[in-house]
Amino acid sequence: SQKIEQNSEALNIQEGKTATLTCNYTNYSPAYLQWYRQDPGRGPVFLLLIRENEKEKRKERLKVTFDTTLKQSLFHITASQPADSATYLCALDGNYGGSQGNLIFGKGTKLSVKP
Amino acid sequence: KAGVTQTPRYLIKTRGQQVTLSCSPISGHRSVSWYQQTPGQGLQFLFEYFSETQRNKGNFPGRFSGRQFSNSRSEMNVSTLELGDSALYLCASSLGSGGPYNEQFFGPGTRLTVL
Repeated sequence: SQKIEQNSEALNIQEGKTATLTCNYTNYSPAYLQWYRQDPGRGPVFLLLIRENEKEKRKERLKVTFDTTLKQSLFHITASQPADSATYLCALDGNYGGSQGNLIFGKGTKLSVKP
Repeated sequence: KAGVTQTPRYLIKTRGQQVTLSCSPISGHRSVSWYQQTPGQGLQFLFEYFSETQRNKGNFPGRFSGRQFSNSRSEMNVSTLELGDSALYLCASSLGSGGPYNEQFFGPGTRLTVL
């Protein structure tokens, strides 16, 4: 079965630096991969989706890459701010190309941005 | 547009009891998915409903069940509660059609504590 690993449980960086989070999967290449942000006591919030035929996607200070050869996605936050501190979750579809209601999530990386 | 709402927000039950959680999706969304989140296992998919039919199911015992009504509202039920069922239960809604790339919108969750 598909497994996701987010390599770091926690990442501490200085304000203004670029945060890079890693997501690796073990089995089939998913049709798409998503990144979510979760703040304490709240549900995850969707950030970006990247499809299997896309190498890179950007949204403001966020950038996601998808390497199906390495079975890896990288999530970057440039010019990080203390407000970016949260847990970031990687998710991919549980059944290839199937309905989007079945997501497999990584355990998340808790990002702390220090002023 | 109102977001996903879940009731109740907090619940305390004892072992052996049963519980019903409710989720109201965003207006126009026909897919509702349920997830269990615990510190040890992270976010795990329970099931997805679309147009009142269960479309996907995760690897949870039969004590966990759900249903969806004609207005897309959904309920999940857990019978014969066990201590290990203590978790944050999250509901997510999405359009559910038009391709597998729709983002999911999560509710705030129901925090269930089993004593």
